[in-house]
Amino acid sequence: EVQLVESGGDLVQPGGSLIVSCAASGFTFSDHYMDWVRQAPGKGLEWVGRTRNRDNSYTTEYAASVKGRFIISRDNSKNSLYLQMNSLQTEDTAIYYCARGDESSGWRSFDLWGRGALVIVSS
Amino acid sequence: IQLTQSPSSLSASVGDRVTITCRASQGISSYLAWYQQKPGKAPKLLIYGASTLEGGVPSRFSGSGSGTDFTLTISSLQPEDFATYYCQQLNTYPITFGQGTRLEIK
Repeated sequence: EVQLVESGGDLVQPGGSLIVSCAASGFTFSDHYMDWVRQAPGKGLEWVGRTRNRDNSYTTEYAASVKGRFIISRDNSKNSLYLQMNSLQTEDTAIYYCARGDESSGWRSFDLWGRGALVIVSS
Repeated sequence: IQLTQSPSSLSASVGDRVTITCRASQGISSYLAWYQQKPGKAPKLLIYGASTLEGGVPSRFSGSGSGTDFTLTISSLQPEDFATYYCQQLNTYPITFGQGTRLEIK
């Protein structure tokens, strides 16, 4: 089955760190761009960042709000995507979704989403 | 690039024709996607490239536009269409989303 499954969501104190993971199955993971998108409670969608595919050397891009604090990585041998979050702030509280870039659109849309992992930053 | 959706919320009835607008703060060619999100669920891709329907999406959904002005149209609302809709631009980093349009039952 083609799917993405996030894990690792948790309650963390301000200033703390957390790693959220995304396990991919049913497709050739290394061929795809992969993205992280978050949604604060009751709010809209916010793009966090992306890692490109093998053909593009797995390079990364980040939103300004997380650049320097968050790191996106991938382990293609495990078909897994990771979001390492450091120096967490209360405004980072959100559901974190991993999403697959859609090759048929030239990586210009996200055609598969996980169910999300809830990260709460609170003392 | 900022995306502004209008309206922010909309009440409509089953069978109605509905149009949601997304305006970009600068030109984004046709690199615009539309998503549907229901409460407690992940977003679902409806349209990419401004007007290309994702596989499996009903033909009552359509998209148009290029440059800065885009529209999502639902030709005849069905009960399962009541949800929140987001536009997204992928022309320039950072990728950005509109603020969302909540479509409610009248």
